[in-house]
Amino acid sequence: DTAVSQTPKYLVTQMGNDKSIKCEQNLGHDTMYWYKQDSKKFLKIMFSYNNKELIINETVPNRFSPKSPDKAHLNLHINSLELGDSAVYFCASSQVRTGLTDTQYFGPGTRLTVL
Amino acid sequence: GEDVEQSLFLSVREGDSSVINCTYTDSSSTYLYWYKQEPGAGLQLLTYIFSNMDMKQDQRLTVLLNKKDKHLSLRIADTQTGDSAIYFCAEVGFGSSNTGKLIFGQGTTLQVKP
Repeated sequence: DTAVSQTPKYLVTQMGNDKSIKCEQNLGHDTMYWYKQDSKKFLKIMFSYNNKELIINETVPNRFSPKSPDKAHLNLHINSLELGDSAVYFCASSQVRTGLTDTQYFGPGTRLTVL
Repeated sequence: GEDVEQSLFLSVREGDSSVINCTYTDSSSTYLYWYKQEPGAGLQLLTYIFSNMDMKQDQRLTVLLNKKDKHLSLRIADTQTGDSAIYFCAEVGFGSSNTGKLIFGQGTTLQVKP
């Protein structure tokens, strides 16, 4: 069984479009995250949700809006896509909120290409 | 601030040992992690070490932590071609939200030559 799954795996779209990436975890974890990995493989956190509540919001354009319908799902909606949004987006989940003892488990990633 | 640094590239011959190094800045980090990313794949948790430990061994992997120097290393014994991947060091940072988040290094690309 896949622990953290993301759809789609690949997403190719035009500039200006709106798109969503979905993430689901079946680990029973309380906290979920979105990370962005750029073309140089640099990984940076974007958002974190704990039990459907936003707890981390890094300096991310407000074109990016995470949505958590329940604690097993954290979707990422992106409006007005730009060329610089091209990256691999990773979803992750962990058991506890504070990060003191949790280990984060990552999904397989969604490669977004904006043309 | 929070910062994690790694060298970008390491090349070894099959059968040799590989040592990947990492330095971090946040002295309050409680856990430090090593993740592996194979080409086109997601991040796989390899191992982690709690900050009150100096060393952790798990089969071919040995993690050494020097908390005084804020230096972490991952040693892979008997390196195989299947170990070729990018290895990320990460610490748990807390920032202003008091909520843990992973701060990653830039990743070290390990190339294993047959």
